[in-house]
Amino acid sequence: AQKITQTQPGMFVQEKEAVTLDCTYDTSDPSYGLFWYKQPSSGEMIFLIYQGSYDQQNATEGRYSLNFQKARKSANLVISASQLGDSAMYFCAMREASYGSSNTGKLIFGQGTTLQVKP
Amino acid sequence: DADVTQTPRNRITKTGKRIMLECSQTKGHDRMYWYRQDPGLGLRLIYYSFDVKDINKGEISDGYSVSRQAQAKFSLSLESAIPNQTALYFCATSAGTLTFSYNEQFFGPGTRLTVL
Repeated sequence: AQKITQTQPGMFVQEKEAVTLDCTYDTSDPSYGLFWYKQPSSGEMIFLIYQGSYDQQNATEGRYSLNFQKARKSANLVISASQLGDSAMYFCAMREASYGSSNTGKLIFGQGTTLQVKP
Repeated sequence: DADVTQTPRNRITKTGKRIMLECSQTKGHDRMYWYRQDPGLGLRLIYYSFDVKDINKGEISDGYSVSRQAQAKFSLSLESAIPNQTALYFCATSAGTLTFSYNEQFFGPGTRLTVL
C-alpha cells in the first residue's frame, strides 16, 4: 500500500536561514508524482512544488526545491531564505500511478509538519 | 473569483442532524474529490468522482454520501452527524488524463465543521 511519512511534527527555523522538511514515501508503482502543499493558519491548501518519478532533475520553484532521492524514497522540501510568512503547516503528498482508466488522481497525504519561522 | 468554492465555510451542528457541504468549481475539471483533515492525520479521501455518473468511495466513506449534480458541483452529505466527524473538509478538482503526467489538484478554501 502507498504511504507517505513526515516524521517532524514541528520545526523552528530562524528567519533568512534554509530549512529542510522531511518526507519519505512507500510505493511499489514505478510511476508516481510527489507534491508539497502549504497550509497557513487560514486553512487553505496552497500548492508549492511537484516532482514526477521519472524526472531527472530535482524540481525547483522560486525559494522551494525538492530534494528527490529515488533510491531512498525520500522527497524532502527545502525552503531557502525563510520568511515569516513561511510559518505554516506543510504537507507532502503522493499521487498514485496514472494509466488509462485506473487513473484516479487521488492524493495520499502525510501527517504534516508545522514550521515556525523566528524573527 | 475563486476557482473552487465551498459553502458553508463554517458550520456548527448537533449530533444526529443531516448536513450538506457544497462544492462548486469553474475550472472545467471532470474530477472532483472530498477530503477531511484531522489534526495529526493529514488529509484523507472520502469520495471522488470522475463525472456525473461515476462516483467512487475513498478510504473513509462510512457515514458520508455524495452527489454530483453537474460537472461543476459536488456535494458531501453527513446523513446523521456524529462528534467524530468534526473536522476540516476540503473539496478538490483536477483535470483528467489518460497518461501519466503532472496533474495538480486545486483545493477549495475548506469547510470547518463542528458536531456537538
